Amino acid sequence: GQNIDQPTEMTATEGAIVQINCTYQTSGFNGLFWYQQHAGEAPTFLSYNVLDGLEEKGRFSSFLSRSKGYSYLLLKELQMKDSASYLCAVRDPGSGNTGKLIFGQGTTLQVKP
Amino acid sequence: DTEVTQTPKHLVMGMTNKKSLKCEQHMGHRAMYWYKQKAKKPPELMFVYSYEKLSINESVPSRFSPECPNSSLLNLHLHALQPEDSALYLCASSQDVLGGDEQFFGPGTRLTVL
Repeated sequence: GQNIDQPTEMTATEGAIVQINCTYQTSGFNGLFWYQQHAGEAPTFLSYNVLDGLEEKGRFSSFLSRSKGYSYLLLKELQMKDSASYLCAVRDPGSGNTGKLIFGQGTTLQVKP
Repeated sequence: DTEVTQTPKHLVMGMTNKKSLKCEQHMGHRAMYWYKQKAKKPPELMFVYSYEKLSINESVPSRFSPECPNSSLLNLHLHALQPEDSALYLCASSQDVLGGDEQFFGPGTRLTVL
């Protein structure tokens, strides 16, 4: 089966750095996505990793290790508006080329002043 | 235009009603998706259309009926729903179903079934 794990909740302080981890066990792998979702709103794309290493995009970075089945999302210089749910999603290789994403349960991040 | 639009934003319906959710994108994307999301849960895939053909149906009950009239539009027809079908219904699109194409999500329709 496919399984994606991430912490349920995290709390951090404004201006700090926070790392949200995601581990996955899948029969194969064809890319990992991170999405941000504010309460009551649609998910918005943050990053995509398919090769090992770090992808940096402004205050947000995402890391992937395929051998370890592990990714993290790093948020720097936290702002209050970063309070949201962060979803890790793996492209399902078992379904062929159909674009299916398997989502983790999401990590609710609360940024405090 | 880099957005996915959905109508209506909110919908309340009885179990005997028939209603439709609509989704539209003008980004030239050839893949479109319907997801269902319950509170504090991740989105669950329902259907995938690729080049206007249904490519995935995640064993969704027949009271949900998708339709893709053209490459820009995606509908979800609802009939005889149950209260447990109350959820946020998200539409998404991507350039294609291959590789690292990100999925762009619409704002969703919040459905309440009485």
